[in-house]
Amino acid sequence: AQKVTQAQTEISVVEKEDVTLDCVYETRDTTYYLFWYKQPPSGELVFLIRRNSFDEQNEISGRYSWNFQKSTSSFNFTITASQVVDSAVYFCAPSDVYSGAGSYQLTFGKGTKLSVIP
Amino acid sequence: DAMVIQNPRYQVTQFGKPVTLSCSQTLNHNVMYWYQQKSSQAPKLLFHYYDKDFNNEADTPDNFQSRRPNTSFCFLDIRSPGLGDAAMYLCATSRDLSGPTYNEQFFGPGTRLTVL
Repeated sequence: AQKVTQAQTEISVVEKEDVTLDCVYETRDTTYYLFWYKQPPSGELVFLIRRNSFDEQNEISGRYSWNFQKSTSSFNFTITASQVVDSAVYFCAPSDVYSGAGSYQLTFGKGTKLSVIP
Repeated sequence: DAMVIQNPRYQVTQFGKPVTLSCSQTLNHNVMYWYQQKSSQAPKLLFHYYDKDFNNEADTPDNFQSRRPNTSFCFLDIRSPGLGDAAMYLCATSRDLSGPTYNEQFFGPGTRLTVL
């Protein structure tokens, strides 16, 4: 089973500032996956990234980047040059490799609410 | 291009009056999940279907049931809603052990349930 901590409950930044959302997880699995999801005010959870535990390369996608540090069990998410549309709740979610019965159990953190002020 | 559809988006019911929430998907995914998300909390998995096989989470109350008549549709039935069941209910799907996105969950927009 996994456990995840998103220590930042709420963050406010001014538009164009960079912001980093922290995620620290615990797992007994040697192989696992890590996800980030975005939940805008509309409510739908939007997939952002999936990272498997044996790939420690950092990843960049446009203004988004992720820093995976297996040694410290962290998977932090940075938004560069933030925009008002980035305002949302962001969830970090580790997942086991396979839970059986065809499912992949996501363990969601409590989320970080990001407000980008124009 | 909607992939996971939830109806209605907002549902109001009365205390104790049975209510059904629906979810449909155009992805042809094997697995469908139901989550409950209370205000300012993380989504909590209630149960999931792998094809027709139902898998209940240990701490899901008996008040919550689910049906999956075919691959595309899945229903969440709340037999006797209490005030504490007011929440956002999220449906998600995933494919089984194949393909590059095999363990990504695709979420619907959710149904916000109000219990009066």
